[in-house]
Amino acid sequence: NAGVMQNPRHLVRRRGQEARLRCSPMKGHSHVYWYRQLPEEGLKFMVYLQKENIIDESGMPKERFSAEFPKEGPSILRIQQVVRGDSAAYFCASSPPSLSGNEKLFFGSGTQLSVL
Amino acid sequence: KQEVTQIPAALSVPEGENLVLNCSFTDSAIYNLQWFRQDPGKGLTSLLLIQSSQREQTSGRLNASLDKSSGRSTLYIAASQPGDSATYLCAVIKGGSEKLVFGKGTKLTVNP
Repeated sequence: NAGVMQNPRHLVRRRGQEARLRCSPMKGHSHVYWYRQLPEEGLKFMVYLQKENIIDESGMPKERFSAEFPKEGPSILRIQQVVRGDSAAYFCASSPPSLSGNEKLFFGSGTQLSVL
Repeated sequence: KQEVTQIPAALSVPEGENLVLNCSFTDSAIYNLQWFRQDPGKGLTSLLLIQSSQREQTSGRLNASLDKSSGRSTLYIAASQPGDSATYLCAVIKGGSEKLVFGKGTKLTVNP
């Protein structure tokens, strides 16, 4: 049973380009979460998705950022017109339907985004 | 707004020592608390999960305690080894929410 798969591991973009980060959840997991870790900062929640639905996007910047989790295929975090401040590690996590009190969250290895 | 603080930010110990990492949170209305390990360039590995109704959890040389009323948790590592070197993160989840709130972590170095 493969874990949470994220790709690419490293992504370099120039200012103004678009960044697409992919996340395939663990088998049997239908819930996906995206977190961002800025240098010297803790992980911050961005968005929580189920298949074809955004459940909670309260941590997403209002502009340039979007996320989707289509019926088929991986979840995508899209950042348009990237700026240097977007440079960070982006982590995806997955869980079975509904986190209960005794369910752990499983994280991918992250995508390190560097904006030049 | 829930805030999670971890002390110390960094810790260096000789191999074999027992050690304690601290985590505090401002809102005691949590659903559970998790301790994670993060290795450089890698993702997070969940170590222990304590439900709000529990006081502690143990796994091998690790023991995590939870005092919800005082907003504190500790991670105890017995007989530390160089392979324990990593950043340890504490995170809480509030009831009715699916969001984990993380501390900034404690970077542990165990010297051979």
